[in-house]
Amino acid sequence: GAVVSQHPSWVICKSGTSVKIECRSLDFQATTMFWYRQFPKQSLMLMATSNEGSKATYEQGVEKDKFLINHASLTLSTLTVTSAHPEDSSFYICSASTSFNRGGQPQHFGDGTRLSIL
Amino acid sequence: AQSVAQPEDQVNVAEGNPLTVKCTYSVSGNPYLFWYVQYPNRGLQFLLKYITGDNLVKGSYGFEAEFNKSQTSFHLKKPSALVSDSALYFCAVRDPRDSNYQLIWGAGTKLIIKP
Repeated sequence: GAVVSQHPSWVICKSGTSVKIECRSLDFQATTMFWYRQFPKQSLMLMATSNEGSKATYEQGVEKDKFLINHASLTLSTLTVTSAHPEDSSFYICSASTSFNRGGQPQHFGDGTRLSIL
Repeated sequence: AQSVAQPEDQVNVAEGNPLTVKCTYSVSGNPYLFWYVQYPNRGLQFLLKYITGDNLVKGSYGFEAEFNKSQTSFHLKKPSALVSDSALYFCAVRDPRDSNYQLIWGAGTKLIIKP
């Protein structure tokens, strides 16, 4: 149980294009989803937290107009990197959690998306 | 400021030997504690958690972790290491008072198991 599917797993595209990454919780309802960015050999950097049906909360320094997050249902959140540039190249990972047990449930992670902007 | 420390960037262990990956935290109150493992080019997999109760927590793949409140530590252990345990391990802590359920992450420890 607690499977999170992230798609696509790898994207290569030209500078200036927009890229959408999907994160789905397959067998549970995710009241909260998280988007992370991970640089090589580094820990996870939280970009934003999204609760179903409400606007995402972005971490300091993350451009909300650059990284559009939508959490329209309890099983789907999307991250759109708009007008992507080479410096946006990174490994993006989503995770999902429920509010059950007052946050004692772990976050469940997708397999990540490797984004390469040429 | 709340933080999680994993003091070792890398831990090297011979196959069959016991392993320990260290984690200490600085979070007020009674935090929830988690360990995750990451294989190359993959997301993170949940290993185990401590919420309350027994200080020794057992998790996936034969891993366990010991919660020590006085030392604010939550070290990950395994009695006999396998080569397949080689991966990146992350300790994470959650403040139960955080309504967003965000995790505070350690920097990660690369575990290398040599045959």
